[in-house]
Amino acid sequence: QVQLVESGGGVVQPGRSLRLSCGASGFTFSDYGMHWVRQAPGKGLEWVAVIWFDGTNENYADSVKGRFTISRDNVKDTLYLQMSSLRAEDTAVYYCARDGGYSRYYFDYWGQGTLVAVSS
Amino acid sequence: QSALTQPASVSGSPGQSITISCTGTSSDVGGYNYVSWYQQHPGKAPKLMIYDVSNRPLGVSDRFSGSKSGYTASLTISGLQAEDEADYYCSSYTNTFTGVFGTGTKVTVL
Repeated sequence: QVQLVESGGGVVQPGRSLRLSCGASGFTFSDYGMHWVRQAPGKGLEWVAVIWFDGTNENYADSVKGRFTISRDNVKDTLYLQMSSLRAEDTAVYYCARDGGYSRYYFDYWGQGTLVAVSS
Repeated sequence: QSALTQPASVSGSPGQSITISCTGTSSDVGGYNYVSWYQQHPGKAPKLMIYDVSNRPLGVSDRFSGSKSGYTASLTISGLQAEDEADYYCSSYTNTFTGVFGTGTKVTVL
């Protein structure tokens, strides 16, 4: 069965960096685009970034553009989110999600999420 | 990338039908048939309920249906059940190759 497992979250000071990982199993990872979605405590969902199935294209929300980088390793079946210059408003649960429809931006499988808390 | 607009809350009695709206612009909801809907119970990851405006994934009850008219998409839950009480979010592809979610709707079963 499809499984997505995020890791790498934790408490980090403002201005520092953190890298999240999302291990995939149960499907051919290299066939699917992948997304990061976040949810601040008590708030709604916010789309963060996407990377195409082959890693040749990526896009970002304006709120993270220039600070976050999405990448993938199709040999290790792993998705990454490198976050730098972190701010308090980046505090959220970060989910990785599979694009179910050839970049039609619907998310058919989600991980359990990893919490990132930006605080001094 | 402004969030799509949803009502903050919708309620209904068991067995009734409710509809949640999701309003965007020509750059997202109105421009593409790439609207999806998610159910989220407290402390859980979201679950895909509808994709491409009106398609249901395997395993999702046929009590859930989706539609779109102009800049507004809608999710209808018929035969409301206690287990349907959750937060619901719409999402759309946009013309800048990004995604955008709705503001979220809390569904309460009276």
